Amino acid sequence: AQTVTQSQPEMSVQEAETVTLSCTYDTSESNYYLFWYKQPPSRQMILVIRQEAYKQQNATENRFSVNFQKAAKSFSLKISDSQLGDTAMYFCAFRETSGSRLTFGEGTQLTVNP
Amino acid sequence: SAVISQKPSRDICQRGTSLTIQCQVDSQVTMMFWYRQQPGQSLTLIATANQGSEATYESGFVIDKFPISRPNLTFSTLTVSNMSPEDSSIYLCSAMGSEGYYGYTFGSGTRLTVV
Repeated sequence: AQTVTQSQPEMSVQEAETVTLSCTYDTSESNYYLFWYKQPPSRQMILVIRQEAYKQQNATENRFSVNFQKAAKSFSLKISDSQLGDTAMYFCAFRETSGSRLTFGEGTQLTVNP
Repeated sequence: SAVISQKPSRDICQRGTSLTIQCQVDSQVTMMFWYRQQPGQSLTLIATANQGSEATYESGFVIDKFPISRPNLTFSTLTVSNMSPEDSSIYLCSAMGSEGYYGYTFGSGTRLTVV
């Protein structure tokens, strides 16, 4: 069974600085998808960024980028120029190409301080 | 991507009663999912709602306690039956469209408190 591990329960960063959230996963599959979701206090789950395992190029969405290390089974999220609105719980998630269910990590609570 | 309307957003219920949570999607989706989330914790999958057939439940969740309906490709309900305080949690629905890895959308959640 796939597992997703986020080893940082809480992190904080100053506004405008850069922060990196860690995620590792375990799978025997070679093809899969990885996601980062953001959940602010409103409870709404928001997709931040996604990565296909067969793509070597790291995904980037504006201030958000990932460092995908397939051999190490690592998928970290870098947030540049942190903003107060980035304060939220961040979840790393995994999905097999052949499946439909998402497996979530435990989450990292990120606080951006003014 | 699809947009999900989830109702109610919150409720306070008496133990022993049942609550039905509804999720309406603004487009047809292939798969719908129901999750439970304790405050500050991760999401736990309860079941996958299949259109036209019974839901597929995860280990630890049973149909008698969490009956699910999926009458069409845009709608699903989850009922929390015979509630106890241990059922107090946030319940979220999610939908996957035809392009799976693009199409995961979540409802805004239902905060349930059982007293």
